[in-house]
Amino acid sequence: SYVLAQPPSVSVAPGETAGITCGGKNIGGKIVHWYQQKPGQAPVLVIYYDSDRPSGIPERFSGSNSGNTATLTISRVEAGDEADYYCQVWDSGLTHLVLFGGGTKLTVL
Amino acid sequence: QITLKESGPTLVKPTQTLRLTCTLSGFSVSSRGVAVGWIRQPPGKALEWLGLIYWDDDKRYSPSVQSRLTITMDTANNQVVVTLTDMDPVDTGTYFCAFRPADGTYFDSWGQGTLVTVSS
Repeated sequence: SYVLAQPPSVSVAPGETAGITCGGKNIGGKIVHWYQQKPGQAPVLVIYYDSDRPSGIPERFSGSNSGNTATLTISRVEAGDEADYYCQVWDSGLTHLVLFGGGTKLTVL
Repeated sequence: QITLKESGPTLVKPTQTLRLTCTLSGFSVSSRGVAVGWIRQPPGKALEWLGLIYWDDDKRYSPSVQSRLTITMDTANNQVVVTLTDMDPVDTGTYFCAFRPADGTYFDSWGQGTLVTVSS
């Protein structure tokens, strides 16, 4: 079955750029969405359709998707960006119509 | 403004059936193209999609719970109900309902979630 692979953790200093990857076979041919989840809270959509930002999401958040890797990039990281991040695909050709990655814990040093 | 709120028991015994209600506001569950999904999250673990119901009452379930899961809609009360039979301790977790906009492939509004513990 199709798997979305995310690194368990990413650490970055404030002001630096964080890249969180989501790997999957030919994921570039699929549409990827990204969610941010802070402790005790519901997920929040931060990127949809690979690279679009919902209203209210800072421009520091961006996304890309090509080949076997989709990437969420957070520029000028702030302490408030510390959270878990999940990628998600929706594909009627998959066993699971909706699939989430395993999540990445972003730590701001 | 779209809001969703989950409600139901916080504790169920093994083999019992879980019934959770998602009350919707700001949109109609029968609005063309929309869908409501259910996602759960075991403590300290990743999000897991369980299933969803479309505006026209079509449904899709995750193979991992398909034999135990039923999602229905109550258009009169603008609610979506999920039932999960034969509960097991591994079903412990926070259950979220979430809104999928018309013809979208993502969830852009989520309920706060409700923690369900399965224990005797």
